Amino acid sequence: QSLLTQPPSVSGAPGQRVTISCTGGSSNFGAGYDVHWHQQLPETAPKLLIYDNNNRPSGVPDRFSGSRSGTSASLAISGLQAEDEGTYYCQSYDSGLGGVIFGGGTRLSVL
Amino acid sequence: QLRLQESGPGLVKPSETLSLICSVSGGSIGSGSYYWGWIRQSPGKGLQWIGNMHYTGAAYYNPSLKSRVTISLDTSKSQFSLNLTVATAADTGLYYCARLTVIPAAHFDFWGQGALVAVSS
Repeated sequence: QSLLTQPPSVSGAPGQRVTISCTGGSSNFGAGYDVHWHQQLPETAPKLLIYDNNNRPSGVPDRFSGSRSGTSASLAISGLQAEDEGTYYCQSYDSGLGGVIFGGGTRLSVL
Repeated sequence: QLRLQESGPGLVKPSETLSLICSVSGGSIGSGSYYWGWIRQSPGKGLQWIGNMHYTGAAYYNPSLKSRVTISLDTSKSQFSLNLTVATAADTGLYYCARLTVIPAAHFDFWGQGALVAVSS
């Protein structure tokens, strides 16, 4: 069982806005560790999408945004596009584990 | 642009050692504050952190795998490796190498394409 909990799936129509939640605990988000998000498109390797809560690497559209508050975090995708279909993973550090943790992943479907 | 590429046997027998190499180009693995790590993905499942290592020798492993895992760096070849002993079918999956940036917060910022490993007799 993941220390970071994500909904298994979300969906939205093209052009809509969707959010993906990521719930942690006192040994990760609650301890002040940041959230990062990775996008895994079908049959491809994960790619960093958001780092340090709300920063986008070069080349990532500003349709993607992130936030963290308390023991929860979220990823928002606005202006949904068909090519956004894939699985999204939140990631952080856990002081209890002493290492990196991932959420279970959320599969995004664009209807 | 930093590039990482995994290589190694695609089939490993049960009880043997699963070994993979990650070749890095476009940057040095022997300097800076970066760690070099491995993550795996079981068929149809999510991502599991295996461990990571700094060129100074500092290494951190997932407690669930720590007794079987060794990560090592060869800065002269710009490669780092993963050894997972006493492999079982549960170790079957996609193995990714990645760079771990730790300042200001630990996150994987560059990933390899992944190497598929099956543990089977």
